[in-house]
Amino acid sequence: EAAVTQSPRNKVAVTGGKVTLSCNQTNNHNNMYWYRQDTGHGLRLIHYSYGAGSTEKGDIPDGYKASRPSQENFSLILELATPSQTSVYFCASGEGQNTGQLYFGEGSKLTVL
Amino acid sequence: GQQVQQSPSSLVLQEGENAELQCNFSSTATQLQWFYQSPGGSLVSLLSNPSGTKHTGRLTSTTVTKERRSSLHISSSQTTDSGTYLCAIDTGYQNFYFGKGTSLTVIP
Repeated sequence: EAAVTQSPRNKVAVTGGKVTLSCNQTNNHNNMYWYRQDTGHGLRLIHYSYGAGSTEKGDIPDGYKASRPSQENFSLILELATPSQTSVYFCASGEGQNTGQLYFGEGSKLTVL
Repeated sequence: GQQVQQSPSSLVLQEGENAELQCNFSSTATQLQWFYQSPGGSLVSLLSNPSGTKHTGRLTSTTVTKERRSSLHISSSQTTDSGTYLCAIDTGYQNFYFGKGTSLTVIP
């Protein structure tokens, strides 16, 4: 069974502060993704990675950075958090093939005050 | 971004009734996946079905690739089926794009 774990699960940050959301997968998947989920918008892709050292911009990358230091770990970084970044963030890993599936973490709820 | 539209946006059923959920997409999909999300929960993969018909348990998915549509049929619905059902496609770049989901409520 695919295992994707996120931390922290809940975070309250102040406007202008730095936030790092971490994701670890034990499936040896090449691809990893960060999505945010908001009412009315569904899931939107922020950043993704094809492997260690690689990061790519998704549909809504502004205000976010990503880091993939290893096959297992993929972080989402908010250098200057804003209230509009209050959301639930999901990390996922994928097999990286046309027939590959996605496996999701439990989600991280971020509130920026 | 890519367009994935799901219908209906919400659905209320009596326990035992069948549900039919639709997913339409605007680009060719090399992969299509249906997910279930419980209220406040994470996403669990139900079926991967880029083309044809697939069954698992009470779920049947039919994808017609040329017509860019997929359906998810839930037979004999149960209260535990309540939640949100999401359709996602990969257009070949290994990025999945999601619809906004169908919220299903099954009443006992």
